Amino acid sequence: ETGVTQSPTHLIKTRGQQVTLRCSSQSGHNTVSWYQQALGQGPQFIFQYYREEENGRGNFPPRFSGLQFPNYSSELNVNALELDDSALYLCASSGPPTYEQYFGPGTRLTVT
Amino acid sequence: KNQVEQSPQSLIILEGKNCTLQCNYTVSPFSNLRWYKQDTGRGPVSLTIMTFSENTKSNGRYTATLDADTKQSSLHITASQLSDSASYICVPGRTDSWGKLQFGAGTQVVVTP
Repeated sequence: ETGVTQSPTHLIKTRGQQVTLRCSSQSGHNTVSWYQQALGQGPQFIFQYYREEENGRGNFPPRFSGLQFPNYSSELNVNALELDDSALYLCASSGPPTYEQYFGPGTRLTVT
Repeated sequence: KNQVEQSPQSLIILEGKNCTLQCNYTVSPFSNLRWYKQDTGRGPVSLTIMTFSENTKSNGRYTATLDADTKQSSLHITASQLSDSASYICVPGRTDSWGKLQFGAGTQVVVTP
């Protein structure tokens, strides 16, 4: 186990709704990265938060937003859900000295 | 443009046999290469990390090789076990994109009794 937890494990939403996914980072880590993994594909980088600031973003629209809290846990928010947002959402925490990323178990989002 | 190509897309092997997975990449400037194992519906777990100056690295029955000149890497699984059934993903890292991992689509390995 990596010590990275995500909630919820699964959820089902309707197109147009909004969703918030949560990630608790490993103790001692100050960075959280979020990835989207569609079925049969590798994870795609959404964005990264370092010490509560966004520190890089992939090719995702603004309706994907995030937040990192003082305890370094993080949230991923997706507005105006689309069917193509159905995927496994992974968070990875990292920190000094190596900043190697350790992944959580993921949240399976289904949009109907 | 896809900067990571993995082959084969999938393979089935008998328990106890060996197999080799291939990864070709075009990312630049190249910094390091990771191999991850991902069980279905779970997060990826790192198997090996190699910098551009390393040629080979082992982690138990997993051995990764890297040729930074030809931009190729391989992952060899020795004496496969049923628990090796998973997706294996190659991740080349760029020196100018710290923390932004670019994953390949992976090779799906199924080990049968």
